[in-house]
Amino acid sequence: EPEVTQTPSHQVTQMGQEVILRCVPISNHLYFYWYRQILGQKVEFLVSFYNNEISEKSEIFDDQFSVERPDGSNFTLKIRSTKLEDSAMYFCASSRVAGGSYNEQFFGPGTRLTVL
Amino acid sequence: AQSVTQPDIHITVSEGASLELRCNYSYGATPYLFWYVQSPGQGLQLLLKYFSGDTLVQGIKGFEAEFKRSQSSFNLRKPSVHWSDAAEYFCAVLNEYGNKLVFGAGTILRVKS
Repeated sequence: EPEVTQTPSHQVTQMGQEVILRCVPISNHLYFYWYRQILGQKVEFLVSFYNNEISEKSEIFDDQFSVERPDGSNFTLKIRSTKLEDSAMYFCASSRVAGGSYNEQFFGPGTRLTVL
Repeated sequence: AQSVTQPDIHITVSEGASLELRCNYSYGATPYLFWYVQSPGQGLQLLLKYFSGDTLVQGIKGFEAEFKRSQSSFNLRKPSVHWSDAAEYFCAVLNEYGNKLVFGAGTILRVKS
């Protein structure tokens, strides 16, 4: 069964450093998402991406964040200058469509980001 | 804006007992609702979804959920819980544009033998 994959599974970085989290969505999916979950808290939406542009973003997704689909398979989340409060589990998800009865978002296993 | 409330932070049930996890949503139109499960250190796995039609939906692992519009609820149930069901369960609603899931705070299920 096709699945969303994410690398790395765990990333440790120093405050102020840039990180890139990578995701490979399911191959025939057209919509891509990033969510994050700070330890002990709820899963929060960050951004959705379709047709090479952002379709929705949350207030969390400020200028320090960016997303890119650099080739036909990868979807990346970049944090330009990490802060301590960026420490969280980051989930990538993809769906075949958006809205309607076919929007089922499939989640990857997550990347745990630790900012020291 | 959409919101989801899961009133129970922790629930403990005995193995073999029945389970009901509560979920209330706030949404103006017909909601698209989901239940996800997260085992420790794992990602989110979809248990079931409601889009329209029959208000009782069946999911994987023997779970079901009932959509009640009058109560704005989408409670998850299982008739007989197994120790492997111990995990965190999240209820979620899709926004009106279909491009964002709004999650509840989650309910941690502990199963005692």
